[in-house]
Order: sequence, then C-alpha cells, then structure tokens
Amino acid sequence: AQSVTQLGSHVSVSEGALVLLRCNYSSSVPPYLFWYVQYPNQGLQLLLKYTSAATLVKGINGFEAEFKKSETSFHLTKPSAHMSDAAEYFCAVSKGSGGYNKLIFGAGTRLAVHP
Amino acid sequence: EAGVTQFPSHSVIEKGQTVTLRCDPISGHDNLYWYRRVMGKEIKFLLHFVKESKQDESGMPNNRFLAERTGGTYSTLKVQPAELEDSGVYFCASSPANEGIPWIGYGYTFGSGTRLTVV
Repeated sequence: AQSVTQLGSHVSVSEGALVLLRCNYSSSVPPYLFWYVQYPNQGLQLLLKYTSAATLVKGINGFEAEFKKSETSFHLTKPSAHMSDAAEYFCAVSKGSGGYNKLIFGAGTRLAVHP
Repeated sequence: EAGVTQFPSHSVIEKGQTVTLRCDPISGHDNLYWYRRVMGKEIKFLLHFVKESKQDESGMPNNRFLAERTGGTYSTLKVQPAELEDSGVYFCASSPANEGIPWIGYGYTFGSGTRLTVV
C-alpha cells in the first residue's frame, strides 16, 4: 500500500529565508510523486511532479523537489520565501505507469511567511 | 478555458438532511474524480468516473454517498442522510482521456472545493 507522510503541519519562515517542506512516501512500486499548493479560497494547483525522469524536479514559482529513493523522500524547497508563498502544501503519491490512478495525499503543511 | 467548477462553495445543513454537491469538469475531460478532506486530515480519494462509468469507487465511505455522472459531463455527489462526520471539504478534479498517453503528463485540474458543514 502507498502512503505519504508530511513532517510538520505548520512551518513558519521569514521572507527571504529558505523554504523546506518535508515529504516521505511509502510505495511498493516505483512511484509518481507530486506537490500541490492550495491558496486561500482556491483549488489545488500542481507545483511539480516526479515521473521517473530527472530526480531533481523544478516547478512553478521557484519551487523544486528532489526524489531520493534511498531516503524515500521528496522534499520541497525554495531558496527564498516570498509573502505570496503563504499557503497549504500537499505531497501526493500515485502508482507508476499510465492509466487512471488515484492520488494518495499527505495531511498537508501550512506555510506561513512573515516579514 | 474554464476550470473545474464546483458548487455550492459552502453548505451548512443539519444532521439527517440531504445535500447534493455538483462538479462541472473542464469541457472534454473524460476523467472526473471526487476527493474529500475531513478537518485537519489528509485529502482522500472517493471515486473516479471515466465518462459516465464509475471506474473506481473504492473510497466511498458508505452507502449514504451516491455519485452520478449522467451523460459524462457534470457530476453530482449526494449525501443522504448527512451525518456530523461528513463535514469537510469535497474536491472535484478532472483530467483528459488517456488514449495511450500517460495521464501523468497532464495531471489533474482541481476545483476550489465545497465546504460542507453538518450541524
């Protein structure tokens, strides 16, 4: 069975500081991994995805994530936080290969950015 | 291109009442998914339609939940009768048809969700 653990339900950083949101997964098959973001009163927006190509994945808004199989991790980072990054972030996993596959989400991490 | 539309955005109902949530996917998207997030917990899969057929309904919590997608366009999710534990945010998402191209290339487009409160 697949599962996702996001360490830290709340993370607070200063504007300009490094953002690090942690995600560990469990999967019996090569996974597809995702990070989604939800801004207030909006839907979930895809930040980036890992689909077994490059292990370092670059996404929108300056975010990137690195797939580390040995650590079963897919942490999300951004070198310099902006106030506009304040939102809730969700890590998700899905089984590999094509076809229709449901997403399994972590519990989410709410990011606060303070001046 | 219009996104995935869900309504109502909020609904407050009493325990025992019936509520119907609606999702309009992106036009032409054959795949439609329902997910739910109970307060503070993870977002959980409910079910998946391919056109009007239920492909996977393994996440539906019980028989008080009924999802339909008549004609393969919009979908409704009815909760009858509603219980307190049904409170949460219900998300809908859609994605294009597979047709040999891994869906992963497209990902999902999510709606803004319906916040359901059962009192």
